Amino acid sequence: KAGVTQTPRYLIKTRGQQVTLSCSPISGHRSVSWYQQTPGQGLQFLFEYFSETQRNKGNFPGRFSGRQFSNSRSEMNVSTLELGDSALYLCASGNQGASTDTQYFGPGTRLTVL
Amino acid sequence: DQQVKQNSPSLSVQEGRISILNCDYTNSMFDYFLWYKKYPAEGPTFLISISSIKDKNEDGRFTVFLNKSAKHLSLHIVPSQPGDSAVYFCAASASRDDKIIFGKGTRLHILP
Repeated sequence: KAGVTQTPRYLIKTRGQQVTLSCSPISGHRSVSWYQQTPGQGLQFLFEYFSETQRNKGNFPGRFSGRQFSNSRSEMNVSTLELGDSALYLCASGNQGASTDTQYFGPGTRLTVL
Repeated sequence: DQQVKQNSPSLSVQEGRISILNCDYTNSMFDYFLWYKKYPAEGPTFLISISSIKDKNEDGRFTVFLNKSAKHLSLHIVPSQPGDSAVYFCAASASRDDKIIFGKGTRLHILP
């Protein structure tokens, strides 16, 4: 089975721009969660999608949004980028949900905001 | 407010000895706990988990202990091997709330 894939792997943007990151879960998985990893804060939960519906959301501003398609692929969008948005963005997929099921992580997208 | 705390940012252990990674949590609703391991340039990989109905779970060299009264869990690796050098994340969730809260991680160095 192919693992979780994320594209692009690396991205450089400037302040004020917007960015869209993509995540393809493991085939058959319906849950996709997004996390932000920074050196100071560790892994922080952004949101989870299950069968195209946002099921849970972390404490991030509205500039961070996401969606999930019928094939379970998910995208995350960040608008009006700030320097502090520079981070590794990880997505994880699972069968049932973030809290009741092992999650499998992708390699991440490294976003640098200049 | 950090609900899952890993108070040691790093830990160095001699190869062959026991590595003990600690984690504390504050939310009494958490009922499922996990450990993930992360190598540089890769996503975290699941290591071991434990439900709140148990106090110990073992998988090969890895054992997780849960002390609910102290809101504390630990991961024991015996014996430690060079390939165990990585960042270890403790995570917790409440089954009625579908999100996992991660700690900031502990970097484990296995010394030759």
